[in-house]
Amino acid sequence: QSALTQPPSASGSSGQSVTISCTGTSSDVGAYDYVSWYQQHPGKAPKLMIYEVTKRPSGVPDRFSGSKSGNTASLTVSGLQAEDEADYYCSSYAGSNSHVVLFGGGTKLTVL
Amino acid sequence: QLQLQESGPGQVKASETLSLTCTVSGGSITSSSHYWGWIRQPPGKGLEWVANIFYTGSTNYNPSLKSRVTMSVDTSKTQFSLKLSSVTASDTAVYYCARALIRSGDAFDIWGQGTMVTVSS
Repeated sequence: QSALTQPPSASGSSGQSVTISCTGTSSDVGAYDYVSWYQQHPGKAPKLMIYEVTKRPSGVPDRFSGSKSGNTASLTVSGLQAEDEADYYCSSYAGSNSHVVLFGGGTKLTVL
Repeated sequence: QLQLQESGPGQVKASETLSLTCTVSGGSITSSSHYWGWIRQPPGKGLEWVANIFYTGSTNYNPSLKSRVTMSVDTSKTQFSLKLSSVTASDTAVYYCARALIRSGDAFDIWGQGTMVTVSS
């Protein structure tokens, strides 16, 4: 299995919305509703922001939302705030013949 | 509140075995709803899943690392461990331990702070 594909960078102005894509295959993103999104600030551990494509853990603002269409999942951040500037990683379960977890290469989100 | 803490040498010589331990506190390691996993991140690069283990000892390994990885769990000490053999410079990374939600496709909801491991020649 190969890593999931994310754009290396994304940006938006404060208060605007931005969407980050995550493209996989019919064996991972397209096969299961098990896409997760993580936020990572410099020098910190990743934080789970979205799981099972659309669900938010307790404490995650509803400005963060997830979706999926075919082999591509997306994370949308609405009402951008300065603290949203971070790296974002998608992840997908890729079961098929073995139990595997794939990550995307990460997207650096800049709040202008 | 569940917490995870990695421990182990910060430097390992090339061709030797990297050994890390994750201690779970504030909760049970014998949960039927969770795996316990390792994820690594080379300096300046992205995340890579390494392996997961269930409290019974059942394991799942990244196919690209499978020949060199061994995970184990010690429920009496609420710890799980990672061994990576025959390390090279490409194994230099921050290693995170984390809890995975089994019924959510292994979403990692709680993470340790991470520990930097450098492979030296």
